[in-house]
Amino acid sequence: EDQVTQSPEALRLQEGESSSLNCSYTVSGLRGLFWYRQDPGKGPEFLFTLYSAGEEKEKERLKATLTKKESFLHITAPKPEDSATYLCAVGTNFGNEKLTFGTGTRLTIIP
Amino acid sequence: DAGITQSPRHKVTETGTPVTLRCHQTENHRYMYWYRQDPGHGLRLIHYSYGVKDTDKGEVSDGYSVSRSKTEDFLLTLESATSSQTSVYFCAISTSPLGDEKLFFGSGTQLSVL
Repeated sequence: EDQVTQSPEALRLQEGESSSLNCSYTVSGLRGLFWYRQDPGKGPEFLFTLYSAGEEKEKERLKATLTKKESFLHITAPKPEDSATYLCAVGTNFGNEKLTFGTGTRLTIIP
Repeated sequence: DAGITQSPRHKVTETGTPVTLRCHQTENHRYMYWYRQDPGHGLRLIHYSYGVKDTDKGEVSDGYSVSRSKTEDFLLTLESATSSQTSVYFCAISTSPLGDEKLFFGSGTQLSVL
């Protein structure tokens, strides 16, 4: 059974304090790993797609990396506006497409 | 922002009543999805559509039905609402099958079944 686990569940950081969020997965036939940001009361918003181990993507203060077992979302010098829940999702099963979401990491950046 | 509108945004209903949620898109995307989001669970797929009148079940489809008579509209119906269906419901759209490309999500419908 495909599994996606995100850690930690919640993270509080001071403004400017860099850290990383983890998404570990156990799936068959990885097709893509997705990161989304979700603000309270809103739908998830796409951030990155990673397709193969070793791949990295960057956007402003965020950088996503991928290995064969996990993905990290690195946040460098975060600002209060980076506060949100970050969701990881894994696309699997060629021919029987499936997308499995993790439960998310709730990130709070304290000014 | 992708043109996805969900209605209503909030709804309170009683157990046993039928409820229909609407998703309307202006992007002309082929694939449309209904998810529910509950504390302690990742987003879970209820039903999806890969074209007009082409729909299929997701992982938590019991108690739900869907219809897609036009490219732009995807309806989710709870035939007889139960308290376990209290949740936040999200519609999503994409240009490719699930897991190939990013999803665009609507703002959600908060449904409370009393």
